[in-house]
Amino acid sequence: GESVGLHLPTLSVQEGDNSIINCAYSNSASDYFIWYKQESGKGPQFIIDIRSNMDKRQGQRVTVLLNKTVKHLSLQIAATQPGDSAVYFCAEKVQAGTALIFGKGTTLSVSS
Amino acid sequence: DTAVSQTPKYLVTQMGNDKSIKCEQNLGHDTMYWYKQDSKKFLKIMFSYNNKELIINETVPNRFSPKSPDKAHLNLHINSLELGDSAVYFCASSQSGGGLTEAFFGQGTRLTVV
Repeated sequence: GESVGLHLPTLSVQEGDNSIINCAYSNSASDYFIWYKQESGKGPQFIIDIRSNMDKRQGQRVTVLLNKTVKHLSLQIAATQPGDSAVYFCAEKVQAGTALIFGKGTTLSVSS
Repeated sequence: DTAVSQTPKYLVTQMGNDKSIKCEQNLGHDTMYWYKQDSKKFLKIMFSYNNKELIINETVPNRFSPKSPDKAHLNLHINSLELGDSAVYFCASSQSGGGLTEAFFGQGTRLTVV
């Protein structure tokens, strides 16, 4: 099976709430992690990345947390907006020269 | 300016036919990929090319043959199409030899085999 997965297939939140999307990975040798957003009918779009030598990285309204001890990755979205509704994927890369391995995705639904 | 572009966006064809999907990237990247996304949205790597050379070839039927005429293009040819080939196919590219950098994805090609 795949080495990266998400805990919940769907997440529903109210506009303005903070969202947390989780991901568990199984390969402790993974060196690099990315969160992608995929809107309906479009390709995955890069949101934020983090390398294995970090445990937190912040972007605009998004924060990625990496816990290597339990092999867990999370994406936090602050003040979630309707435009954030999409499928979110975590992906990992074991080493340079290999391809990204994707988890199953979490569908985020934001209601106003 | 589209960074990674695929054509066609939609492709409907009959079983047994041969079809091709084209991909071009204008980002100057040296690594390109093909991913398959099934009906449950799961994205799986199929192939990876670096500087026109095949790097990754996952367990994909040999009816699928990627071709890279140059670094900016990676086309996917599929022979003898089967119903199970129906999916969305994504082309992607990355730089630095596929090192620790993100991949940029195209808009996808929805293939429907009838």
